[in-house]
Amino acid sequence: SALTQPASVSGSPGQSITISCTGTSSDVGGYDYVSWYQQHPGKAPKLMIYDVSNRPSGVSNRFSGSKSGNTASLTISGLQAEDAADYYCSSYTSSSTLVFGGGTKLTVL
Amino acid sequence: QVQVGQSGAEVKKPGASVKVSCKVSGYTLIELSIHWVRQAPGQGLEWMGGFDPEDGETIYAQKFQGRVTVTEDTSTDTAYMELSSLRYEDTAVYYCATGPPTGNVRWIDPWGQGTLVIVSS
Repeated sequence: SALTQPASVSGSPGQSITISCTGTSSDVGGYDYVSWYQQHPGKAPKLMIYDVSNRPSGVSNRFSGSKSGNTASLTISGLQAEDAADYYCSSYTSSSTLVFGGGTKLTVL
Repeated sequence: QVQVGQSGAEVKKPGASVKVSCKVSGYTLIELSIHWVRQAPGQGLEWMGGFDPEDGETIYAQKFQGRVTVTEDTSTDTAYMELSSLRYEDTAVYYCATGPPTGNVRWIDPWGQGTLVIVSS
């Protein structure tokens, strides 16, 4: 079943926010294969973090990822207006499939 | 740089099938793994299936097994996703995305622009 994310988070420009992603030992807790995606309205998702904490080339270092047990987290520091988007976590599973979280809407106040 | 382009929007009747294409450029299909993800209106992302390089076979989400078929034409670097027995709740944007060519499916990127499939009588 889908990973669990908060429906929404918010923060003011310059602040930091953290989005959690909770799974089980069969997905998040069992592998260091958690990825995070950013999706702006009407656009395709974009990879922001892979393998728990790695940033693809071109992604701002304001984005960071971590994991503890069955919960992964995405932290965005120095919030900017353009960070407002939906964020999805994903994990590889013991069934060789991918599972996504339900998504979190980030509002920059 | 991998680029992914998808076929255009489709309108289908309940019970019909739809086949969405996904052409990659910059790399060949052999150098990538292809995955399909859908997003119903106002909803989240849902992985449907894709090639698992570690196992060397296409894996499908249990929810779609028996209804979805992913194929590839390596001569044109085009992948296809066919969904049969369409229902109203299959109305969604269908994305193809590329994954690593080896090992487990750890991430998928870049993504195509998406193909809107509307199921309507």
